[in-house]
Amino acid sequence: AQSVTQPDIHITVSEGASLELRCNYSYGATPYLFWYVQSPGQGLQLLLKYFSGDTLVQGIKGFEAEFKRSQSSFNLRKPSVHWSDAAEYFCAVGHNNAGNMLTFGGGTRLMVKP
Amino acid sequence: DTGVSQDPRHKITKRGQNVTFRCDPISEHNRLYWYRQTLGQGPEFLTYFQNEAQLEKSRLLSDRFSAERPKGSFSTLEIQRTEQGDSAMYLCASSLETLWAFFGQGTRLTVV
Repeated sequence: AQSVTQPDIHITVSEGASLELRCNYSYGATPYLFWYVQSPGQGLQLLLKYFSGDTLVQGIKGFEAEFKRSQSSFNLRKPSVHWSDAAEYFCAVGHNNAGNMLTFGGGTRLMVKP
Repeated sequence: DTGVSQDPRHKITKRGQNVTFRCDPISEHNRLYWYRQTLGQGPEFLTYFQNEAQLEKSRLLSDRFSAERPKGSFSTLEIQRTEQGDSAMYLCASSLETLWAFFGQGTRLTVV
Protein backbone atom coordinates (compact mmCIF):
# COMPACT_ATOMS: atom_id res chain seq x y z
CA ALA A 1 0.00 0.00 0.00
CA GLN A 2 1.17 3.50 -0.71
CA SER A 3 1.47 6.13 2.03
CA VAL A 4 2.64 9.71 2.38
CA THR A 5 4.15 11.46 5.39
CA GLN A 6 4.42 15.19 5.80
CA PRO A 7 6.40 15.52 9.01
CA ASP A 8 5.71 19.20 9.62
CA ILE A 9 2.13 20.03 10.58
CA HIS A 10 2.80 23.77 10.83
CA ILE A 11 5.59 25.95 9.48
CA THR A 12 6.02 29.68 9.93
CA VAL A 13 8.41 31.66 7.77
CA SER A 14 9.05 35.34 7.29
CA GLU A 15 8.05 36.96 4.04
CA GLY A 16 11.00 36.86 1.66
CA ALA A 17 12.59 33.87 3.35
CA SER A 18 13.12 30.55 1.63
CA LEU A 19 10.81 27.61 2.19
CA GLU A 20 11.12 23.85 2.15
CA LEU A 21 8.19 21.54 2.89
CA ARG A 22 9.02 17.90 3.42
CA CYS A 23 7.28 14.91 1.91
CA ASN A 24 8.22 11.25 2.25
CA TYR A 25 6.37 8.44 0.55
CA SER A 26 6.19 4.70 0.71
CA TYR A 27 5.54 2.71 -2.45
CA GLY A 28 7.09 -0.33 -4.08
CA ALA A 29 8.01 1.42 -7.30
CA THR A 30 8.44 5.00 -8.39
CA PRO A 31 5.03 6.58 -8.03
CA TYR A 32 3.62 9.67 -9.60
CA LEU A 33 4.12 12.57 -7.19
CA PHE A 34 2.14 15.74 -6.73
CA TRP A 35 1.99 18.86 -4.62
CA TYR A 36 -1.34 20.65 -4.14
CA VAL A 37 -2.17 23.87 -2.30
CA GLN A 38 -5.45 24.60 -0.53
CA SER A 39 -6.63 27.97 0.73
CA PRO A 40 -9.18 27.97 3.57
CA GLY A 41 -12.56 26.60 2.52
CA GLN A 42 -11.38 26.00 -1.04
CA GLY A 43 -10.54 23.06 -3.24
CA LEU A 44 -7.05 21.94 -4.15
CA GLN A 45 -4.88 23.57 -6.80
CA LEU A 46 -2.08 21.61 -8.42
CA LEU A 47 1.32 23.23 -7.94
CA LEU A 48 3.45 20.66 -9.74
CA LYS A 49 3.79 17.00 -10.61
CA TYR A 50 6.45 14.40 -11.27
CA PHE A 51 5.86 11.46 -13.55
CA SER A 52 9.36 10.66 -14.85
CA GLY A 53 12.48 12.29 -16.26
CA ASP A 54 14.23 15.27 -14.71
CA THR A 55 14.02 14.94 -10.95
CA LEU A 56 13.80 18.71 -10.41
CA VAL A 57 10.31 19.84 -11.31
CA GLN A 58 9.17 23.41 -11.78
CA GLY A 59 5.65 24.44 -10.91
CA ILE A 60 3.41 27.44 -10.73
CA LYS A 61 3.85 30.42 -8.40
CA GLY A 62 7.63 29.97 -8.28
CA PHE A 63 7.56 26.57 -6.58
CA GLU A 64 9.82 23.65 -7.39
CA ALA A 65 10.22 20.14 -6.03
CA GLU A 66 12.96 17.57 -6.20
CA PHE A 67 12.38 13.82 -6.38
CA LYS A 68 15.03 11.85 -4.52
CA ARG A 69 14.55 8.14 -5.05
CA SER A 70 17.19 7.13 -2.48
CA GLN A 71 15.36 9.09 0.22
CA SER A 72 11.81 8.42 -1.00
CA SER A 73 11.26 12.13 -0.79
CA PHE A 74 9.64 14.84 -2.87
CA ASN A 75 10.27 18.10 -1.00
CA LEU A 76 8.70 21.36 -2.11
CA ARG A 77 10.80 24.52 -2.20
CA LYS A 78 10.42 28.21 -2.90
CA PRO A 79 13.33 30.66 -2.75
CA SER A 80 11.33 33.65 -1.51
CA VAL A 81 7.94 33.33 0.15
CA HIS A 82 5.15 35.88 -0.37
CA TRP A 83 2.36 36.58 2.12
CA SER A 84 -0.12 35.13 -0.39
CA ASP A 85 1.59 31.73 -0.10
CA ALA A 86 0.00 31.21 3.32
CA ALA A 87 -2.15 28.11 2.88
CA GLU A 88 -2.17 24.37 3.44
CA TYR A 89 0.06 22.24 1.26
CA PHE A 90 -0.54 18.60 0.46
CA CYS A 91 1.82 16.06 -1.03
CA ALA A 92 0.20 13.15 -2.86
CA VAL A 93 1.31 9.94 -4.53
CA GLY A 94 -0.43 7.72 -7.01
CA HIS A 95 0.11 5.06 -9.60
CA ASN A 96 -1.96 3.51 -12.34
CA ASN A 97 -1.25 0.12 -10.78
CA ALA A 98 -2.53 1.26 -7.39
CA GLY A 99 -6.19 1.80 -8.02
CA ASN A 100 -5.87 5.00 -9.99
CA MET A 101 -6.23 7.04 -6.83
CA LEU A 102 -4.13 9.62 -5.07
CA THR A 103 -2.99 9.09 -1.50
CA PHE A 104 -2.47 12.35 0.34
CA GLY A 105 -0.32 13.30 3.27
CA GLY A 106 -1.80 15.04 6.26
CA GLY A 107 -0.77 18.46 5.01
CA THR A 108 1.50 21.26 6.20
CA ARG A 109 -0.02 24.58 7.16
CA LEU A 110 2.21 27.45 6.12
CA MET A 111 2.00 30.77 7.92
CA VAL A 112 3.91 33.80 6.63
CA LYS A 113 5.08 36.54 8.98
CA PRO A 114 5.31 40.08 7.59
CA ASP B 1 -15.06 28.89 -16.17
CA THR B 2 -14.21 25.43 -17.48
CA GLY B 3 -13.00 23.89 -14.22
CA VAL B 4 -14.59 21.23 -12.07
CA SER B 5 -17.87 22.46 -10.65
CA GLN B 6 -19.53 21.18 -7.48
CA ASP B 7 -23.00 21.92 -6.17
CA PRO B 8 -23.96 22.86 -3.55
CA ARG B 9 -20.96 24.52 -1.95
CA HIS B 10 -22.44 24.14 1.51
CA LYS B 11 -25.10 21.80 2.89
CA ILE B 12 -26.50 21.67 6.40
CA THR B 13 -28.71 18.70 7.12
CA LYS B 14 -30.28 17.01 10.08
CA ARG B 15 -29.03 13.63 11.20
CA GLY B 16 -30.87 10.85 9.43
CA GLN B 17 -31.63 12.81 6.27
CA ASN B 18 -30.34 11.87 2.84
CA VAL B 19 -28.13 14.26 0.88
CA THR B 20 -26.95 14.31 -2.71
CA PHE B 21 -24.05 16.25 -4.16
CA ARG B 22 -23.35 16.94 -7.81
CA CYS B 23 -20.07 17.22 -9.65
CA ASP B 24 -19.57 18.47 -13.21
CA PRO B 25 -16.08 17.56 -14.42
CA ILE B 26 -13.99 19.31 -17.04
CA SER B 27 -15.83 18.46 -20.23
CA GLU B 28 -13.29 16.28 -22.01
CA HIS B 29 -12.16 14.42 -18.88
CA ASN B 30 -13.12 10.77 -18.78
CA ARG B 31 -12.04 10.07 -15.19
CA LEU B 32 -13.91 11.37 -12.18
CA TYR B 33 -12.97 10.93 -8.53
CA TRP B 34 -14.65 11.59 -5.19
CA TYR B 35 -12.63 12.33 -2.06
CA ARG B 36 -13.57 13.22 1.49
CA GLN B 37 -11.60 15.63 3.63
CA THR B 38 -12.15 16.01 7.35
CA LEU B 39 -10.84 18.96 9.32
CA GLY B 40 -7.07 19.02 9.57
CA GLN B 41 -6.58 16.00 7.34
CA GLY B 42 -5.63 15.34 3.76
CA PRO B 43 -8.24 14.19 1.27
CA GLU B 44 -9.24 10.53 1.44
CA PHE B 45 -10.16 8.64 -1.72
CA LEU B 46 -13.73 7.35 -1.92
CA THR B 47 -14.46 6.20 -5.46
CA TYR B 48 -13.50 6.57 -9.11
CA PHE B 49 -15.23 6.43 -12.50
CA GLN B 50 -13.82 5.93 -15.94
CA ASN B 51 -16.54 7.24 -18.22
CA GLU B 52 -19.74 5.78 -16.76
CA ALA B 53 -18.07 2.73 -15.20
CA GLN B 54 -17.38 2.83 -11.48
CA LEU B 55 -14.04 1.03 -11.38
CA GLU B 56 -13.21 1.41 -7.72
CA LYS B 57 -15.74 1.65 -4.93
CA SER B 58 -14.27 -0.44 -2.16
CA ARG B 59 -13.15 2.72 -0.36
CA LEU B 60 -16.67 4.09 0.05
CA LEU B 61 -17.03 4.48 3.78
CA SER B 62 -20.18 2.42 4.25
CA ASP B 63 -23.17 1.15 2.31
CA ARG B 64 -24.86 4.48 3.08
CA PHE B 65 -22.57 6.05 0.49
CA SER B 66 -23.19 5.61 -3.22
CA ALA B 67 -22.10 7.38 -6.38
CA GLU B 68 -23.31 7.42 -9.95
CA ARG B 69 -22.13 8.79 -13.26
CA PRO B 70 -24.98 7.73 -15.51
CA LYS B 71 -23.88 9.17 -18.86
CA GLY B 72 -20.18 9.52 -18.25
CA SER B 73 -20.48 13.23 -17.67
CA PHE B 74 -21.66 14.62 -14.33
CA SER B 75 -21.64 12.53 -11.18
CA THR B 76 -23.65 12.44 -7.97
CA LEU B 77 -22.61 11.29 -4.52
CA GLU B 78 -25.42 10.33 -2.17
CA ILE B 79 -25.23 9.77 1.55
CA GLN B 80 -28.24 8.10 3.11
CA ARG B 81 -29.24 8.40 6.76
CA THR B 82 -26.55 10.95 7.49
CA GLU B 83 -24.61 10.80 10.75
CA GLN B 84 -22.65 13.52 12.51
CA GLY B 85 -19.44 11.75 11.53
CA ASP B 86 -20.29 12.39 7.89
CA SER B 87 -19.60 16.10 8.39
CA ALA B 88 -16.69 16.87 6.08
CA MET B 89 -15.67 18.48 2.80
CA TYR B 90 -16.51 16.31 -0.20
CA LEU B 91 -14.18 16.95 -3.12
CA CYS B 92 -14.63 15.96 -6.72
CA ALA B 93 -11.78 15.78 -9.21
CA SER B 94 -11.45 14.89 -12.86
CA SER B 95 -8.65 13.92 -15.21
CA LEU B 96 -7.98 12.78 -18.75
CA GLU B 97 -6.51 9.28 -18.72
CA THR B 98 -3.92 10.13 -16.06
CA LEU B 99 -3.66 10.79 -12.35
CA TRP B 100 -3.15 14.51 -13.08
CA ALA B 101 -6.40 15.49 -11.42
CA PHE B 102 -8.10 18.85 -11.21
CA PHE B 103 -10.20 19.44 -8.12
CA GLY B 104 -13.42 21.33 -7.62
CA GLN B 105 -14.11 23.74 -4.77
CA GLY B 106 -15.79 21.05 -2.73
CA THR B 107 -19.10 20.67 -0.92
CA ARG B 108 -18.95 21.24 2.82
CA LEU B 109 -21.47 19.05 4.64
CA THR B 110 -22.54 19.77 8.19
CA VAL B 111 -24.77 17.24 9.91
CA VAL B 112 -26.58 18.62 12.96
